[in-house]
Amino acid sequence: AQKVTQAQTEISVVEKEDVTLDCVYETRDTTYYLFWYKQPPSGELVFLIRRNSFDEQNEISGRYSWNFQKSTSSFNFTITASQVVDSAVYFCALSEVHSGANSKLTFGKGITLSVRP
Amino acid sequence: EAQVTQNPRYLITVTGKKLTVTCSQNMNHEYMSWYRQDPGLGLRQIYYSMNVEVTDKGDVPEGYKVSRKEKRNFPLILESPSPNQTSLYFCASRRRPGETQYFGPGTRLLVL
Repeated sequence: AQKVTQAQTEISVVEKEDVTLDCVYETRDTTYYLFWYKQPPSGELVFLIRRNSFDEQNEISGRYSWNFQKSTSSFNFTITASQVVDSAVYFCALSEVHSGANSKLTFGKGITLSVRP
Repeated sequence: EAQVTQNPRYLITVTGKKLTVTCSQNMNHEYMSWYRQDPGLGLRQIYYSMNVEVTDKGDVPEGYKVSRKEKRNFPLILESPSPNQTSLYFCASRRRPGETQYFGPGTRLLVL
């Protein structure tokens, strides 16, 4: 069965600090997708990134970067020079493609990030 | 604008009073799902649908029903709500397995 672990529950940093959110996953499939979503205080889920299991290249988007390492089953998310607007709950999620038609998203429990001015 | 809409956004009801939360997407996606979000548990799938008239249970289906009579709509039905169904509910859709799921804005439900 697929599983996503976000061991950090709450992180608090001061603005402009760099912060890394950890994500460890478990799956028996060789084909799967990993995602990060952001949930700001307003409650909606905002898609950040999707990465397939065959692409281990790290990705950078502005202040956001993602480090995917199959060897450690990790898909960590780093925010550089954090800002108050980054305060949110961040979810890592996994979708197996060969688990039948459902291929549901399995979410971690989320990390609450607070960025203080 | 491509989007998933849900209504109502907020709902307070009493135990046993049937309710329906509507979900609609305008992206012509075949796959739709309902999730509930509870503190400390993340999001868990309730039901999903692969196409019109094709639905199946997710991880936590007890106490819920769904229907998919049209491709764009996927309502969630609580026949007899109970306080343990107090939660934040999200509808989601995607084009095919493995692709990005797009979520509605959420429905906050309180069952007294």
